[in-house]
Amino acid sequence: EPEVTQTPSHQVTQMGQEVILRCVPISNHLYFYWYRQILGQKVEFLVSFYNNEISEKSEIFDDQFSVERPDGSNFTLKIRSTKLEDSAMYFCASSETSGRATQYFGPGTRLLVL
Amino acid sequence: DAKTTQPTSMDCAEGRAANLPCNHSTISGNEYVYWYRQIHSQGPQYIIHGLKNNETNEMASLIITEDRKSSTLILPHATLRDTAVYYCIVRVDGTSGSRLTFGEGTQLTVNP
Repeated sequence: EPEVTQTPSHQVTQMGQEVILRCVPISNHLYFYWYRQILGQKVEFLVSFYNNEISEKSEIFDDQFSVERPDGSNFTLKIRSTKLEDSAMYFCASSETSGRATQYFGPGTRLLVL
Repeated sequence: DAKTTQPTSMDCAEGRAANLPCNHSTISGNEYVYWYRQIHSQGPQYIIHGLKNNETNEMASLIITEDRKSSTLILPHATLRDTAVYYCIVRVDGTSGSRLTFGEGTQLTVNP
């Protein structure tokens, strides 16, 4: 069964450093998403992406965040200058178009900012 | 998207049916009911969704009341691996780029 994959599974970084989280969505999906979950809190939407453009973003997704589809398979989330409060699980998801909007999630990347 | 209300926690004996309720009294006519679960900080896993008819797949059944103001997710024979947080989410289908809004969900604990 096709699935969303994410790398790395864990990332430790120093405050102020840039990190790039990577995702490989399900191959025939065209909509991509990032969510995050701070430890003990709810899963929160960050951004959705379609046709090389951001479709929707939340108030969390500020100028320090960016997303990119650098090639035909990868979807990345970049955090330019990490802060302590960026420590969280980051989940990538993807969905088909043509009205079937079920989102399928990857296993997540645990980011720890020291 | 309509707001949902779920119990904070539930227990179920292994092998028995787990019935997880969800209230969505402000649901609109074009909003679907989705169920996801999250096993211990893993990625949310899609379970099932429906509009107004009852739905069944290999994982679960979804029963939606006639007025669509509430629904029940049924795991027919719960196993220990079904221990997870279960989220009921209502949203408009067809809007493929739109967000899922997760609430607190129900922590289901399946006991041996």
